[in-house]
Amino acid sequence: AQTVTQSQPEMSVQEAETVTLSCTYDTSESDYYLFWYKQPPSRQMILVIRQEAYKQQNATENRFSVNFQKAAKSFSLKISDSQLGDAAMYFCAYIYNQGGKLIFGQGTELSVKP
Amino acid sequence: DVKVTQSSRYLVKRTGEKVFLECVQDMDHENMFWYRQDPGLGLRLIYFSYDVKMKEKGDIPEGYSVSREKKERFSLILESASTNQTSMYLCASSFPGTISTDTQYFGPGTRLTVL
Repeated sequence: AQTVTQSQPEMSVQEAETVTLSCTYDTSESDYYLFWYKQPPSRQMILVIRQEAYKQQNATENRFSVNFQKAAKSFSLKISDSQLGDAAMYFCAYIYNQGGKLIFGQGTELSVKP
Repeated sequence: DVKVTQSSRYLVKRTGEKVFLECVQDMDHENMFWYRQDPGLGLRLIYFSYDVKMKEKGDIPEGYSVSREKKERFSLILESASTNQTSMYLCASSFPGTISTDTQYFGPGTRLTVL
């Protein structure tokens, strides 16, 4: 069965610093996508970044980047130059091929200290 | 921008009541999903739909049913609400087809409390 694990229920970072959120997953599929979603206190879940499993290059979106280690089944999110607006619950998620079913991790609540 | 709306942000119901949660998307997406979100458990899929009048069970369908009479609208029904259904409910939608278009877009959520 496919599973996604986020082992850090809470993380904290100082404004302007860098923080890394961890995610591991388990799958026997070879063709899949991984996502990081952000859920701010207002609760609208938004996509932060997406990684195709067949691509070796790590995805980046402005201050957000991932470290995708396919063999280790690890998919961490790095947030550089953290801002107060980055404070949110972050979810790692997985989808295989055209399965359509997103599988989520437990979430990591990130707080940003001014 | 894709917009997914849910009929209520907060809802309080009594045990045994029939509850309808409505979700509407405006981007002509084929796929629609209902999740519940609980602390420490992440999001768990209740039901999903790939087309009008089509539905498939997710991971935790017990106690729930769904209806999709129109492409843009996907309803979650609690036939007889129970206290263990107190939760945050999130609706999402996506295009079908290639995996590159499988990004799911979420609504703002409905916080349901069953007393």
